[in-house]
Amino acid sequence: DSGVTQTPKHLITATGQRVTLRCSPRSGDLSVYWYQQSLDQGLQFLIQYYNGEERAKGNILERFSAQQFPDLHSELNLSSLELGDSALYFCASSPRTGLNTEAFFGQGTRLTVV
Amino acid sequence: AQKITQTQPGMFVQEKEAVTLDCTYDTSDPSYGLFWYKQPSSGEMIFLIYQGSYDQQNATEGRYSLNFQKARKSANLVISASQLGDSAMYFCAMRLIGGADGLTFGKGTHLIIQP
Repeated sequence: DSGVTQTPKHLITATGQRVTLRCSPRSGDLSVYWYQQSLDQGLQFLIQYYNGEERAKGNILERFSAQQFPDLHSELNLSSLELGDSALYFCASSPRTGLNTEAFFGQGTRLTVV
Repeated sequence: AQKITQTQPGMFVQEKEAVTLDCTYDTSDPSYGLFWYKQPSSGEMIFLIYQGSYDQQNATEGRYSLNFQKARKSANLVISASQLGDSAMYFCAMRLIGGADGLTFGKGTHLIIQP
């Protein structure tokens, strides 16, 4: 168990809908990352928050947004969902930022858009 | 932009044999970190080992070691004495110090350990 908790584990929703994925990082970890894993794109970095502030953006669509709250949990909001958004979404946390900082991954939320 | 290449989509290995999973990377940045993660069929991502670009020695963590050849831009993962529980997807990843702080992943290698 990595100590990173993601809810829900599975989510099935229809095209055009909006969903919120939740992540609780390991105790004390200030940095939260979101990743998307799909069959065609592989594992892609979406966005990073550090202590409540957005720190880095990767391949995140404009329909997606995220935030990190004062208690350090984070939410990833996906709107106007399309079939191609079906994927495994991971949250990862680390105690700091930097080159050699390993990220601890949650078990992921499997999103299916029908 | 940085890139990670894993050229072995799948590998079959006999139990107790050593395994080498290939990873090459491409970056012009002199400062970077290289990571290996394991993803079993249950889906979670498990951190295995880290190598920094300035580290003089190859990283080791238990049965895992990283064969880091900087001039060749390769960072192969070596698993000694493989076990059935090593069957999983293995991902090589890189982080740059100056760029976005997320990891760039390769496409992975599906390792199957046979009894």
